[in-house]
Amino acid sequence: AQSVSQHNHHVILSEAASLELGCNYSYGGTVNLFWYVQYPGQHLQLLLKYFSGDPLVKGIKGFEAEFIKSKFSFNLRKPSVQWSDTAEYFCAVNELGNTGFQKLVFGTGTRLLVSP
Amino acid sequence: DVKVTQSSRYLVKRTGEKVFLECVQDMDHENMFWYRQDPGLGLRLIYFSYDVKMKEKGDIPEGYSVSREKKERFSLILESASTNQTSMYLCASSQGLAEAFFGQGTRLTVV
Repeated sequence: AQSVSQHNHHVILSEAASLELGCNYSYGGTVNLFWYVQYPGQHLQLLLKYFSGDPLVKGIKGFEAEFIKSKFSFNLRKPSVQWSDTAEYFCAVNELGNTGFQKLVFGTGTRLLVSP
Repeated sequence: DVKVTQSSRYLVKRTGEKVFLECVQDMDHENMFWYRQDPGLGLRLIYFSYDVKMKEKGDIPEGYSVSREKKERFSLILESASTNQTSMYLCASSQGLAEAFFGQGTRLTVV
Protein backbone atom coordinates (compact mmCIF):
# COMPACT_ATOMS: atom_id res chain seq x y z
CA ALA A 1 0.00 0.00 0.00
CA GLN A 2 1.05 3.54 -0.66
CA SER A 3 2.52 5.52 2.21
CA VAL A 4 3.36 9.21 2.45
CA SER A 5 6.07 10.58 4.74
CA GLN A 6 6.33 14.12 5.98
CA HIS A 7 9.49 14.32 8.01
CA ASN A 8 8.96 17.74 9.58
CA HIS A 9 6.18 17.60 12.15
CA HIS A 10 6.64 21.13 13.46
CA VAL A 11 8.35 24.05 11.77
CA ILE A 12 8.81 27.51 13.25
CA LEU A 13 9.93 30.37 11.01
CA SER A 14 10.15 34.11 11.15
CA GLU A 15 8.33 36.19 8.57
CA ALA A 16 10.21 36.52 5.26
CA ALA A 17 12.12 33.28 5.85
CA SER A 18 12.09 30.66 3.11
CA LEU A 19 10.10 27.48 3.55
CA GLU A 20 10.64 23.95 2.34
CA LEU A 21 8.49 21.06 3.58
CA GLY A 22 9.48 17.54 2.65
CA CYS A 23 7.16 14.88 1.27
CA ASN A 24 8.10 11.39 0.11
CA TYR A 25 5.82 8.64 -1.16
CA SER A 26 6.43 4.96 -1.60
CA TYR A 27 4.66 3.90 -4.82
CA GLY A 28 6.84 3.85 -7.91
CA GLY A 29 4.20 3.97 -10.61
CA THR A 30 2.11 6.79 -11.99
CA VAL A 31 0.96 9.06 -9.20
CA ASN A 32 -1.06 12.19 -8.72
CA LEU A 33 0.30 14.39 -5.94
CA PHE A 34 -1.30 17.10 -3.84
CA TRP A 35 -0.56 19.57 -1.09
CA TYR A 36 -3.43 20.64 1.13
CA VAL A 37 -3.48 23.33 3.79
CA GLN A 38 -5.63 23.66 6.89
CA TYR A 39 -5.71 27.13 8.43
CA PRO A 40 -6.77 27.32 12.09
CA GLY A 41 -10.48 26.59 12.41
CA GLN A 42 -10.96 26.08 8.68
CA HIS A 43 -11.48 23.11 6.40
CA LEU A 44 -8.76 21.52 4.31
CA GLN A 45 -8.20 23.23 0.99
CA LEU A 46 -6.03 22.50 -2.01
CA LEU A 47 -2.75 24.39 -2.36
CA LEU A 48 -1.50 22.74 -5.53
CA LYS A 49 -1.46 19.49 -7.46
CA TYR A 50 0.68 17.55 -9.90
CA PHE A 51 -0.74 15.16 -12.47
CA SER A 52 1.76 15.28 -15.34
CA GLY A 53 3.94 17.64 -17.37
CA ASP A 54 6.18 20.30 -15.86
CA PRO A 55 7.45 18.87 -12.55
CA LEU A 56 7.52 22.35 -10.99
CA VAL A 57 3.98 23.30 -10.14
CA LYS A 58 2.73 26.58 -8.81
CA GLY A 59 -0.18 26.93 -6.45
CA ILE A 60 -2.06 29.58 -4.58
CA LYS A 61 -0.52 32.20 -2.28
CA GLY A 62 2.97 31.92 -3.78
CA PHE A 63 3.51 28.24 -3.00
CA GLU A 64 5.20 25.87 -5.40
CA ALA A 65 6.23 22.22 -5.34
CA GLU A 66 8.70 20.15 -7.31
CA PHE A 67 8.04 16.56 -8.32
CA ILE A 68 11.27 14.53 -8.45
CA LYS A 69 10.37 11.06 -9.66
CA SER A 70 13.77 9.53 -8.97
CA LYS A 71 13.55 10.59 -5.33
CA PHE A 72 9.83 9.84 -4.89
CA SER A 73 9.51 13.36 -3.56
CA PHE A 74 7.13 16.28 -3.86
CA ASN A 75 8.51 19.04 -1.64
CA LEU A 76 6.60 22.23 -0.97
CA ARG A 77 8.38 25.60 -1.11
CA LYS A 78 7.73 29.27 -0.58
CA PRO A 79 10.48 31.89 -0.92
CA SER A 80 9.15 34.22 1.78
CA VAL A 81 6.55 33.18 4.34
CA GLN A 82 4.01 35.45 5.98
CA TRP A 83 2.34 35.27 9.37
CA SER A 84 -0.87 34.26 7.56
CA ASP A 85 0.83 31.06 6.35
CA THR A 86 0.58 29.66 9.87
CA ALA A 87 -1.34 26.43 9.27
CA GLU A 88 -1.03 22.67 8.98
CA TYR A 89 0.16 21.33 5.65
CA PHE A 90 -0.62 17.87 4.30
CA CYS A 91 0.92 16.04 1.40
CA ALA A 92 -1.30 13.46 -0.35
CA VAL A 93 -1.03 10.96 -3.16
CA ASN A 94 -3.61 9.00 -5.11
CA GLU A 95 -3.46 5.25 -4.70
CA LEU A 96 -5.31 2.57 -6.62
CA GLY A 97 -7.84 0.82 -4.36
CA ASN A 98 -8.74 -2.85 -4.55
CA THR A 99 -11.68 -2.11 -6.83
CA GLY A 100 -9.52 -0.17 -9.28
CA PHE A 101 -10.64 3.24 -8.08
CA GLN A 102 -8.39 5.97 -6.81
CA LYS A 103 -8.23 6.92 -3.16
CA LEU A 104 -6.26 9.67 -1.48
CA VAL A 105 -3.56 8.77 1.04
CA PHE A 106 -2.30 11.53 3.33
CA GLY A 107 0.88 12.17 5.23
CA THR A 108 0.88 12.98 8.93
CA GLY A 109 1.02 16.71 8.36
CA THR A 110 3.43 19.54 9.23
CA ARG A 111 2.42 22.33 11.58
CA LEU A 112 3.96 25.61 10.48
CA LEU A 113 4.15 28.54 12.86
CA VAL A 114 5.28 31.85 11.41
CA SER A 115 6.22 34.47 13.95
CA PRO A 116 5.81 38.13 13.04
CA ASP B 1 -19.15 27.22 -5.44
CA VAL B 2 -18.24 23.71 -4.41
CA LYS B 3 -19.73 22.56 -1.15
CA VAL B 4 -19.37 19.57 1.17
CA THR B 5 -21.59 19.84 4.20
CA GLN B 6 -21.29 17.80 7.35
CA SER B 7 -24.41 17.78 9.47
CA SER B 8 -22.78 18.58 12.82
CA ARG B 9 -19.69 20.53 13.85
CA TYR B 10 -19.64 19.09 17.37
CA LEU B 11 -21.15 15.93 18.82
CA VAL B 12 -20.99 14.38 22.27
CA LYS B 13 -22.12 10.78 22.56
CA ARG B 14 -22.05 8.10 25.23
CA THR B 15 -20.09 4.87 25.03
CA GLY B 16 -22.14 2.18 23.32
CA GLU B 17 -24.41 4.55 21.42
CA LYS B 18 -24.97 4.17 17.70
CA VAL B 19 -23.74 7.34 16.01
CA PHE B 20 -24.54 8.64 12.54
CA LEU B 21 -22.37 11.25 10.82
CA GLU B 22 -23.90 12.69 7.68
CA CYS B 23 -22.21 14.29 4.69
CA VAL B 24 -23.77 15.88 1.63
CA GLN B 25 -22.05 17.23 -1.48
CA ASP B 26 -23.63 19.37 -4.15
CA MET B 27 -21.13 18.75 -6.98
CA ASP B 28 -22.46 15.46 -8.39
CA HIS B 29 -19.13 13.82 -7.50
CA GLU B 30 -18.69 10.07 -7.90
CA ASN B 31 -16.25 9.61 -5.04
CA MET B 32 -16.83 10.29 -1.38
CA PHE B 33 -14.53 9.67 1.56
CA TRP B 34 -14.55 9.55 5.34
CA TYR B 35 -11.33 10.29 7.21
CA ARG B 36 -10.48 10.76 10.83
CA GLN B 37 -7.91 13.34 11.81
CA ASP B 38 -5.86 12.91 14.98
CA PRO B 39 -2.86 14.98 16.13
CA GLY B 40 0.38 13.52 14.88
CA LEU B 41 -1.38 10.90 12.75
CA GLY B 42 -2.65 13.07 9.92
CA LEU B 43 -5.72 11.95 8.01
CA ARG B 44 -6.50 8.26 8.00
CA LEU B 45 -9.02 6.84 5.55
CA ILE B 46 -11.92 4.96 7.13
CA TYR B 47 -14.06 4.17 4.07
CA PHE B 48 -14.63 5.49 0.62
CA SER B 49 -17.35 5.12 -1.98
CA TYR B 50 -16.96 5.40 -5.73
CA ASP B 51 -20.64 5.08 -6.65
CA VAL B 52 -24.07 4.71 -5.10
CA LYS B 53 -24.21 1.61 -2.92
CA MET B 54 -20.53 0.89 -3.65
CA LYS B 55 -17.92 1.14 -0.92
CA GLU B 56 -14.40 0.08 -0.12
CA LYS B 57 -12.61 -0.18 3.20
CA GLY B 58 -9.87 2.26 3.93
CA ASP B 59 -7.00 1.83 6.34
CA ILE B 60 -8.97 1.85 9.62
CA PRO B 61 -12.51 0.52 9.00
CA GLU B 62 -12.88 -1.41 12.26
CA GLY B 63 -15.81 -0.19 14.33
CA TYR B 64 -17.29 1.78 11.43
CA SER B 65 -19.70 1.20 8.59
CA VAL B 66 -20.97 3.43 5.82
CA SER B 67 -24.02 3.94 3.69
CA ARG B 68 -24.44 5.58 0.31
CA GLU B 69 -28.01 5.30 -0.88
CA LYS B 70 -27.91 8.50 -2.93
CA LYS B 71 -25.05 9.98 -4.90
CA GLU B 72 -24.91 13.19 -2.89
CA ARG B 73 -25.00 11.64 0.60
CA PHE B 74 -22.43 9.50 2.39
CA SER B 75 -23.06 8.46 5.98
CA LEU B 76 -20.57 7.16 8.51
CA ILE B 77 -21.95 4.91 11.23
CA LEU B 78 -20.32 4.04 14.51
CA GLU B 79 -22.18 0.88 15.50
CA SER B 80 -21.24 1.10 19.19
CA ALA B 81 -19.24 4.21 20.00
CA SER B 82 -16.12 3.83 22.10
CA THR B 83 -13.86 6.42 23.69
CA ASN B 84 -11.05 5.65 21.23
CA GLN B 85 -13.32 6.91 18.47
CA THR B 86 -13.16 10.42 19.91
CA SER B 87 -11.72 12.36 16.98
CA MET B 88 -12.27 14.87 14.20
CA TYR B 89 -14.11 13.28 11.28
CA LEU B 90 -13.70 14.72 7.81
CA CYS B 91 -15.83 14.02 4.77
CA ALA B 92 -14.58 14.69 1.25
CA SER B 93 -15.71 14.24 -2.32
CA SER B 94 -13.99 14.14 -5.68
CA GLN B 95 -14.63 13.44 -9.33
CA GLY B 96 -12.35 10.95 -11.07
CA LEU B 97 -8.70 11.76 -10.39
CA ALA B 98 -9.28 15.39 -9.54
CA GLU B 99 -8.65 16.92 -6.14
CA ALA B 100 -10.90 16.24 -3.18
CA PHE B 101 -13.06 18.88 -1.53
CA PHE B 102 -13.51 18.71 2.21
CA GLY B 103 -16.25 19.54 4.66
CA GLN B 104 -15.68 21.51 7.86
CA GLY B 105 -15.38 18.39 9.97
CA THR B 106 -17.29 16.93 12.89
CA ARG B 107 -15.56 16.85 16.24
CA LEU B 108 -16.93 13.79 18.02
CA THR B 109 -16.40 13.21 21.70
CA VAL B 110 -17.38 9.84 23.17
CA VAL B 111 -17.76 9.87 26.94
